[in-house]
Amino acid sequence: GAVVSQHPSWVICKSGTSVKIECRSLDFQATTMFWYRQFPKQSLMLMATSNEGSKATYEQGVEKDKFLINHASLTLSTLTVTSAHPEDSSFYICSANGARTGTTDTQYFGPGTRLTVL
Amino acid sequence: DQQVKQNSPSLSVQEGRISILNCDYTNSMFDYFLWYKKYPAEGPTFLISISSIKDKNEDGRFTVFLNKSAKHLSLHIVPSQPGDSAVYFCAAGTSGTYKYIFGTGTRLKVLA
Repeated sequence: GAVVSQHPSWVICKSGTSVKIECRSLDFQATTMFWYRQFPKQSLMLMATSNEGSKATYEQGVEKDKFLINHASLTLSTLTVTSAHPEDSSFYICSANGARTGTTDTQYFGPGTRLTVL
Repeated sequence: DQQVKQNSPSLSVQEGRISILNCDYTNSMFDYFLWYKKYPAEGPTFLISISSIKDKNEDGRFTVFLNKSAKHLSLHIVPSQPGDSAVYFCAAGTSGTYKYIFGTGTRLKVLA
């Protein structure tokens, strides 16, 4: 149980285009989902927290207009990188937790999405 | 301000021996801690957690120890196996907020 998937696993796009990444909880309802990014050899940096049906809460320094988050259902959250630039190239990882994972305090991570902006 | 620190970027251990990975935190409000294992280009995999009401939690070969007064936790892997080779992240947070701060990770290499 507690499986989280992400799609796509990797994407290459041109500068200026927008890219949407999906995060799904496959066997549980995720009351809260999180989006992280990881630069090479660095830690996971929390970008934003999204609760189903409400606006996401962004961490300091994260541009909400650039990284659009939608948590339309208890099993799906999407991250859209708008007008992507090469500096947005990174590994984006989502996580989720919810009552049915056994403990509400444990986050379960998706496999990540590698974004490369040319 | 790095609230969660893993001061050893890498660690090499012989197969069968004990691996000890350390983590320090600064925020006294943190009361829930987790360890994750991560392979390159994959998402972190949850290993074990501990709440501040305990000082030890054990799950198979993995044991996490928490020293609240020192704001220090450690992950022990016994016996270490080559398949344990990965990057290990500790994470700390306040229960109920579901938000965690991650350390910078320690790359463990278990030598056969």
